Amino acid sequence: DAGVIQSPRHEVTEMGQEVTLRCKPISGHNSLFWYRQTMMRGLELLIYFNNNVPIDDSGMPEDRFSAKMPNASFSTLKIQPSEPRDSAVYFCASSFRGAGELFFGEGSRLTVL
Amino acid sequence: AQTVTQSQPEMSVQEAETVTLSCTYDTSESNYYLFWYKQPPSRQMILVIRQEAYKQQNATENRFSVNFQKAAKSFSLKISDSQLGDTAMYFCAFMKSGYNQGGKLIFGQGTELSVKP
Repeated sequence: DAGVIQSPRHEVTEMGQEVTLRCKPISGHNSLFWYRQTMMRGLELLIYFNNNVPIDDSGMPEDRFSAKMPNASFSTLKIQPSEPRDSAVYFCASSFRGAGELFFGEGSRLTVL
Repeated sequence: AQTVTQSQPEMSVQEAETVTLSCTYDTSESNYYLFWYKQPPSRQMILVIRQEAYKQQNATENRFSVNFQKAAKSFSLKISDSQLGDTAMYFCAFMKSGYNQGGKLIFGQGTELSVKP
């Protein structure tokens, strides 16, 4: 099994630019999660999907953030416009039935200058 | 609201020795899961061990075991025969049980463990 695949692994951009992070969950998993990790706030859940439907987006910091899951094998997290305080590592994770063990991707490190 | 507290920001242990990482949590739920995740320098989050709250028996995975004290809301991780590859950040995490709760992990701040040769 290939595991959860995220891209890009590193992204450096300038303030105001649009950023799109991508995630391919493990085949057969029906729940997908986006987490953000920063030194100040630790690991925070941003949003999660069950069967491609967003269930809880209460962790999304503001309207500049949006997430989509057009099909069972792909999700995006978009930031538009990006700001320096968005600099963080963004993790995607998936699980079967949304309970129990989460399988994490390697994360996307975002730096906004 | 649930909270998870790891009171040891950093710990170190000699190779082959045993170390215990502490975790406490606060919840009013009766059914939930607790986890320990490991994050090595490669950055990937790896599940170390998992405990269901309804199970009285402490979980064990090879050299890793937990001491789950439900009444005290304590969930410590013991690593026996520490190896250099155990060097990592360790996160304790809480999750309510239930289909629509899945994945809403509440993480502690982490304990950075260094295993010294």
